Amino acid sequence: NAGVTQTPKFRVLKTGQSMTLLCAQDMNHEYMYWYRQDPGMGLRLIHYSVGEGTTAKGEVPDGYNVSRLKKQNFLLGLESAAPSQTSVYFCASSPRLAKNIQYFGAGTRLSVL
Amino acid sequence: AQKITQTQPGMFVQEKEAVTLDCTYDTSDPSYGLFWYKQPSSGEMIFLIYQGSYDQQNATEGRYSLNFQKARKSANLVISASQLGDSAMYFCAMRERGDFGNEKLTFGTGTRLTIIP
Repeated sequence: NAGVTQTPKFRVLKTGQSMTLLCAQDMNHEYMYWYRQDPGMGLRLIHYSVGEGTTAKGEVPDGYNVSRLKKQNFLLGLESAAPSQTSVYFCASSPRLAKNIQYFGAGTRLSVL
Repeated sequence: AQKITQTQPGMFVQEKEAVTLDCTYDTSDPSYGLFWYKQPSSGEMIFLIYQGSYDQQNATEGRYSLNFQKARKSANLVISASQLGDSAMYFCAMRERGDFGNEKLTFGTGTRLTIIP
C-alpha cells in the first residue's frame, strides 16, 4: 500500500531551469495539496485541487503551476527556478468525506543554485 | 496577526511525563478546523488529531488529546505518558474558508519536543 508517493526525492537545479514534481496517490482521494517547508517555518500551501481537472491557489502560488489531469496525480511545475524556491516540498491528499485528515508524501528536497 | 502561533520553539520532557504543546489561533470564520501533525527526524508528516470548531467535546486519539478552548482561541495538544518515540517536531494547523470560498490551510512554526530517558 504505497499511499502518497513523491518523485523525485532530491533534485538540484540551476537558476532558470524548469522541472516538474510528481505526486501520485493510490487511495482514490479527491483532494490533493502541494506545500513547501522552509527552515524555521511551518508548511505553506502552494496550490491544491478538490478534484480531477480543478486546481486552486494557496498561500504562496507565485512561480509555480499545477495540473490535475488524472485523479491520482498532482503535478507541481517550476517554469523558471529561482534560489528562493529552494525548499522541501510535500504533497498530501485527503478524501472528500474526511478532508480534514491529510496523508503526506515523504517530501522532495529541491535546491536551486 | 499570526494565524497560528506556537510559542514554544523547543521543549525537553522526562519520559513518562505528560506534555502540553501550546497553540493559539486567529480566525473570523465561524467554521474552522484545527489539527496537529508530527514530523519525526525522518521528515514525513503524520496526522495526529483533529478538532472542528463546532465539536462540543475535546478530540482524543489514544495518548493524544486536544484541549480546545474556543473563547481563548487555543488548541493545545496533550500527550499523556510520553515515550522516546514522541521526540519530533509538532505542528499545529488550521483550516478555514478563504476570501473567495477556497480553502485556507495555515501551519504554525512548530515545537521541537525532545523526550529525555
